[in-house]
Amino acid sequence: EPEVTQTPSHQVTQMGQEVILRCVPISNHLYFYWYRQILGQKVEFLVSFYNNEISEKSEIFDDQFSVERPDGSNFTLKIRSTKLEDSAMYFCASRGQNHPSSGNTIYFGEGSWLTVV
Amino acid sequence: QKEVEQNSGPLSVPEGAIASLNCTYSDRVSQSFFWYRQYSGKSPELIMSIYSNGDKEDGRFTAQLNKASQYVSLLIRDSQPSDSATYLCAVNENYGQNFVFGPGTRLSVLP
Repeated sequence: EPEVTQTPSHQVTQMGQEVILRCVPISNHLYFYWYRQILGQKVEFLVSFYNNEISEKSEIFDDQFSVERPDGSNFTLKIRSTKLEDSAMYFCASRGQNHPSSGNTIYFGEGSWLTVV
Repeated sequence: QKEVEQNSGPLSVPEGAIASLNCTYSDRVSQSFFWYRQYSGKSPELIMSIYSNGDKEDGRFTAQLNKASQYVSLLIRDSQPSDSATYLCAVNENYGQNFVFGPGTRLSVLP
């Protein structure tokens, strides 16, 4: 069964360092997402990406965050200058065609756990 | 601001009982509704989606949607200890990009 894959599974970084989290969405999917979940808290939307551009982003997704689809398969989230409060699980997700009755479901990767020290 | 609300729990039920999980949402134009299960330290996995008012059954799971009341629920019949997890309700505006998640309800099924 197709799945969303994420790397690394766990990364420890020093405050102020840049981090890149990588994702390979399901191959025929068109919409890509990053969510994050701080330990013990809810899943929070960061950004959605469609047709090679950001389609929607949350207040969390400020100037230190960026996304890219550099080669048609990978989908990356970059955090330029990490802060302690960026420590969280980051989930990549994807979905296929926008069809409310059958294809409007997002599928998550296993997550990348980021620890900022 | 779109909001999705759930009781945080924990909801404890004995093995074999019916677990009832509830979710309310604020955005009236929401059209697609999802229940995900999340084990501790793992990613959310889809249980069911529902788009129309009424009930939708899949095995031991039944999703119920009432758009007039802005309410969606999940029933788990014959609950098993392996059902112990956090259950996330997610809502999507029709053709919208963002899926908004509730805080989740922690379910504990006691053997």
